[in-house]
Amino acid sequence: GAGVSQSPRYKVAKRGQDVALRCDPISGHVSLFWYQQALGQGPEFLTYFQNEAQLDKSGLPSDRFFAERPEGSVSTLKIQRTQQEDSAVYLCASSHGGGESPMNTEAFFGQGTRLTVV
Amino acid sequence: AQKITQTQPGMFVQEKEAVTLDCTYDTSDQSYGLFWYKQPSSGEMIFLIYQGSYDEQNATEGRYSLNFQKARKSANLVISASQLGDSAMYFCAMREGLDSSYKLIFGSGTRLLVRP
Repeated sequence: GAGVSQSPRYKVAKRGQDVALRCDPISGHVSLFWYQQALGQGPEFLTYFQNEAQLDKSGLPSDRFFAERPEGSVSTLKIQRTQQEDSAVYLCASSHGGGESPMNTEAFFGQGTRLTVV
Repeated sequence: AQKITQTQPGMFVQEKEAVTLDCTYDTSDQSYGLFWYKQPSSGEMIFLIYQGSYDEQNATEGRYSLNFQKARKSANLVISASQLGDSAMYFCAMREGLDSSYKLIFGSGTRLLVRP
């Protein structure tokens, strides 16, 4: 497809389980972002990749969260030992430029993965 | 301090009428960009409109316009001739020029319901 694709759309995990969320950005897009959206809130930044380099991970809430983009395209967000407060929608976005791109460069979002930790 | 503030958790508007969704922001950067996104129940964030801090004209995109008041640090979204399909969550977001990752900072959103 032409858009950002995320899988799975829904994930139910038992507390303590590890999960992996996948993001397929738009082909050729340099920048990739992960956001966490709690129920009734706006998305909050987690981490940013420019190609395969993770340039900003300041938003990752704990060391249980890990993201990678080894070949500069598909990215995986991994959460270890999930806890109930990790329940949220995880959104991936990509844009064609890197950090030096114009301010108005549009970020395209996927539909998100809804994670529920029980 | 909140960087993006949306004070209206929910709004109603009658079909075919105009509605204004409020957004105020806080930044010390001179260069920044302001965005509005629509999030329908399906979950994806749909880009609506962009306003740059140096833009002198208010941005317009079809039925969407942005009322940019730089001195007041506000960037309200105006939707004209509301349609039933406009019912969704609306998020104001900012990108700061000194942030090399150019990440978006979002507000808490406004849920808009269009009444037939």
